[in-house]
Amino acid sequence: EVQLVESGGGLVQPGGSLRLSCEASGFTFSSYFMSWVRQAPGKGLEWVANIKKDGSDKYYVDSVKGRFTISRDNAKNSLYLQLDSLRAEDTAVYYCATQFGPRFFDYWGQGTLVTVSS
Amino acid sequence: QSALTQPHSVSGSPGQSVTISCTGTSSDVGGYDYVSWYQQHPGKAPKLIIYDVNKRPSGVPDRFSVSKSGNTASLTISGLQAEDEADYYCCSYAGTYTVVFGGGTKLTVL
Repeated sequence: EVQLVESGGGLVQPGGSLRLSCEASGFTFSSYFMSWVRQAPGKGLEWVANIKKDGSDKYYVDSVKGRFTISRDNAKNSLYLQLDSLRAEDTAVYYCATQFGPRFFDYWGQGTLVTVSS
Repeated sequence: QSALTQPHSVSGSPGQSVTISCTGTSSDVGGYDYVSWYQQHPGKAPKLIIYDVNKRPSGVPDRFSVSKSGNTASLTISGLQAEDEADYYCCSYAGTYTVVFGGGTKLTVL
């Protein structure tokens, strides 16, 4: 059974940093593109970033470029998202998802909440 | 990277059919056959229900179908059931490994 478990969310002040983690199991992690997708409270889904199977290339939505960094450790079956220079508008549930292609997201974690507030 | 356009809400009675549209541009929906749809119940993670425009993952009933014309994809749910009440999101590949979601549509089963 595929499982994706996110952790690392919490309350942080504007301008602060957080590191999110996603531990994967039940599938060959190194064979998948991986993504982070976020959802602000009461709002829709927004793709944030993805990373190729071997970590060689990374892609970001414009609003987080230069502030967020996606990475992975295939030996540990883990995906990460470093969030720096956080803003109030980054407040959201952050989901880790497998991405086929990158055409679609086939498996999702339950999400971790990041709240940016003073 | 502008969000795809979906109606804010739709509704229908059990047994009826509803259609949710998803409009983008030639740089996303119109440019690729890589549109996917997700169902999200309150407090839950999204679930993939359609991929590559009109393919269904195992376990998704054929009551869910999609058509695409130009820059618009449309999800039709036939034989509405109470458990179909949820938020629905479309998503399209937008080139260079990026994707864009629609704003979401709340489906109410009356």
